[in-house]
Formats: sequence, structure tokens, C-alpha cells
Amino acid sequence: QQQVKQSPQSLIVQKGGISIINCAYENTAFDYFPWYQQFPGKGPALLIAIRPDVSEKKEGRFTISFNKSAKQFSLHIMDSQPGDSATYFCAASGRRDDKIIFGKGTRLHILP
Amino acid sequence: NAGVMQNPRHLVRRRGQEARLRCSPMKGHSHVYWYRQLPEEGLKFMVYLQKENIIDESGMPKERFSAEFPKEGPSILRIQQVVRGDSAAYFCASSPVLQGSGANVLTFGAGSRLTVL
Repeated sequence: QQQVKQSPQSLIVQKGGISIINCAYENTAFDYFPWYQQFPGKGPALLIAIRPDVSEKKEGRFTISFNKSAKQFSLHIMDSQPGDSATYFCAASGRRDDKIIFGKGTRLHILP
Repeated sequence: NAGVMQNPRHLVRRRGQEARLRCSPMKGHSHVYWYRQLPEEGLKFMVYLQKENIIDESGMPKERFSAEFPKEGPSILRIQQVVRGDSAAYFCASSPVLQGSGANVLTFGAGSRLTVL
């Protein structure tokens, strides 16, 4: 059972454009939603995270939008740069269960 | 602070051999997670441990796989009698979690890439 569904699997965006990655979850007990960024040959690193008590969180060019009723959340990368080319994972966890469940990842490529 | 250290970075084993992957968490972190990464499959949760205790092993295959995090020394993921399907990148992460917070920030190591011939 895939508890966190992520799309698209891959994404190509022009430099300066907006990259959008979407995730949906099933477990209503989830209440923490992080995004991780992974470069080739490296481990994932936390990028930004949100709790469901807010609908949006922004850090620099990265924004998470959260829709609790639809059980969906998305990552927006504004003014995308070639250095943003990486694999992005959405994830979810809950207070009753500290393990973090990841989506399958999105390979983002920003064209120079 | 050296971060999460995993070794070996690359490991080649023949079918039927044993693989041992080691993970030293960040200083001050008391919890360790192991994930397996296969192409197109993302990061699959395997096991979550604190020292001398397995908290959640719901993602571990029932046979051949085991994990430990002893009082002293690194966490070890052990795969016995490896098969070709075990070839993957295995990532360890640590966190300073307070259990039940539901907001664990994971710090990942660089991974151990297992190839089974």
C-alpha cells in the first residue's frame, strides 16, 4: 500500500520557470509533511516542511501548499535554476508513528 | 560534526554471501532509520531503532534481513544469503527525535550501494 503518492515521476522546466511537484496521502493520522532533496550520489536532505495547521509555507524560492480536505500537498520552486536539478521526495509522518514514509520521488531537470 | 557516516560506500557480494552495512549517527542523535532505494521506487522504509531497541521493523523482509543498534558502536543492517534482488542503495538516517513528536528531522548518510553478482 503506497501511503504517499507523488507525481510527476520526472519533470523538465526551463530556467526561470516554476516547478510544481504534487503529493497525496491517505492516512489522516499524518501531521508532518517534509520535502527532501537528493543530488546524485548523495543522501536526501531536508528542504522544507509543513504542519497541517497552515495552508502554505514559504522559504526563499521554495513554497509548500497544503490542502487538508483534499489530503494533498505540493512543492513549488519559483525561478527554477539549473542547480535545482535533483530528485525531490515528499514524505509524511504522524505523532503516533514516528517513521517517515516517502513518495517515489520526482526527477527534476532545469534546462539552462 | 561529521554527520551520518555510512560504510562501506560500495559493497559487492556474490549470491549467498552476507552483507553488513554500518551506520554511525550524528553526535547527539539517538535514533536510526534504514531505508532502501531502488530506481523508480523511491525510499522504502525498512526499520527504525534506538539504542538496544527496535522501535518499528514493519518494512523489513521477514527473512534474511536484520538490524541492530547496540549500546556501543554503529547500527548494523545485516543481509544474509544475498540475492540479486537485494542490489540497491541502502540509506541510513538519524534524528534527535523525541518519540511521539511526529516531526522527526532526518539527517541522511551518503548511502551504501550493494551489488549482488
